[in-house]
Amino acid sequence: DVKVTQSSRYLVKRTGEKVFLECVQDMDHENMFWYRQDPGLGLRLIYFSYDVKMKEKGDIPEGYSVSREKKERFSLILESASTNQTSMYLCASNSGGATNEKLFFGSGTQLSVL
Amino acid sequence: AQSVTQPDIHITVSEGASLELRCNYSYGATPYLFWYVQSPGQGLQLLLKYFSGDTLVQGIKGFEAEFKRSQSSFNLRKPSVHWSDAAEYFCAVGEGGADGLTFGKGTHLIIQP
Repeated sequence: DVKVTQSSRYLVKRTGEKVFLECVQDMDHENMFWYRQDPGLGLRLIYFSYDVKMKEKGDIPEGYSVSREKKERFSLILESASTNQTSMYLCASNSGGATNEKLFFGSGTQLSVL
Repeated sequence: AQSVTQPDIHITVSEGASLELRCNYSYGATPYLFWYVQSPGQGLQLLLKYFSGDTLVQGIKGFEAEFKRSQSSFNLRKPSVHWSDAAEYFCAVGEGGADGLTFGKGTHLIIQP
């Protein structure tokens, strides 16, 4: 089975802490994405990457950065966590090419910033 | 910019009844359209997708959706719902390539016994 694995299911952090959310996919996908999911707002794209060391801003990149040093791993970084970053974070991946937009999602990381 | 509207935040349906979840999109060209389902505590799972061709697409779990260009709609239907269909449903639009999808805000489906 194809798999997108997010390292933590639940995280609790304090305001101002640096937070790393890790995502690994085993499908050799070129593209990887980070979304946040909030009630009533649906999913919003934070950052995505279409190749190793490449990154692009999504719709809400402020307060976040990303790292993609290896093809299978895409990390989301909160440089200084704030309470408004309390959310469910979803990682996704897919292969390159215009006709295969199917996204494979991880189970999500519920982050609480206190 | 592309956008997706799901007008219904919550929908309650009796088990065995038919279901239709609405989705309207805004996009300049022919869109790639998707429906995803998220069960409690789970990631999102693709139900079906439309790229081109037949405007009525069949998906998993007995779901289907119809693309209507004139109405900019891509509504999801199921003739008879089961209690296990209770979940959050997301419509999404993409333009191909690596730019990711734009999701609607979701519709929460509740199944009454």
